[in-house]
Amino acid sequence: DAGITQSPRHKVTETGTPVTLRCHQTENHRYMYWYRQDPGHGLRLIHYSYGVKDTDKGEVSDGYSVSRSKTEDFLLTLESATSSQTSVYFCATRPGLAAGNEQFFGPGTRLTVL
Amino acid sequence: AQTVTQSQPEMSVQEAETVTLSCTYDTSESNYYLFWYKQPPSRQMILVIRQEAYKQQNATENRFSVNFQKAAKSFSLKISDSQLGDTAMYFCAFTVTSGTYKYIFGTGTRLKVLA
Repeated sequence: DAGITQSPRHKVTETGTPVTLRCHQTENHRYMYWYRQDPGHGLRLIHYSYGVKDTDKGEVSDGYSVSRSKTEDFLLTLESATSSQTSVYFCATRPGLAAGNEQFFGPGTRLTVL
Repeated sequence: AQTVTQSQPEMSVQEAETVTLSCTYDTSESNYYLFWYKQPPSRQMILVIRQEAYKQQNATENRFSVNFQKAAKSFSLKISDSQLGDTAMYFCAFTVTSGTYKYIFGTGTRLKVLA
């Protein structure tokens, strides 16, 4: 399995506070993704990165920002957390655009915004 | 827009029996990849099987196989000899082979294997 870790694994915070989730990979994969998982919605893409300092928005990017200053780290920031951002967040990586490349997932972070 | 639809929110199957999970998708692309991921209660996402659209032969991985119907845009997963450890959420996913780097996921099917 790809070495993908997420921190923290669980977090409870209050509405209006900033929150940063970290994804760290040891596989030197080029592409990294942040998803949120909610009942009835499956996994929805928040932001993704196709290289250091190269990022783009996904389908549910409002209220989130990302940064990738080095290959191994991809940070997701909630500037001012809201209760609607309570969710499980997954980071994923992909080695490259070679045909058939699957995504590898981190263990997830459960975020609760009170 | 590209979409993935899983119309069965929940299913159950008796241990040792066979079950089929449905997935349909919509795309105008001609070459793409389809995946089934398993998410057990541990929450870890695990790749079960993948299919390349240009290959007519259906993919198989041990007890897992797919029925890929490209014209119908259908990609169902068959689990044979179901085991208790197959109890999980199953997600169908799709990605194209050029242009975008994105994956589209279905909403998932929760499968329970009964003893």
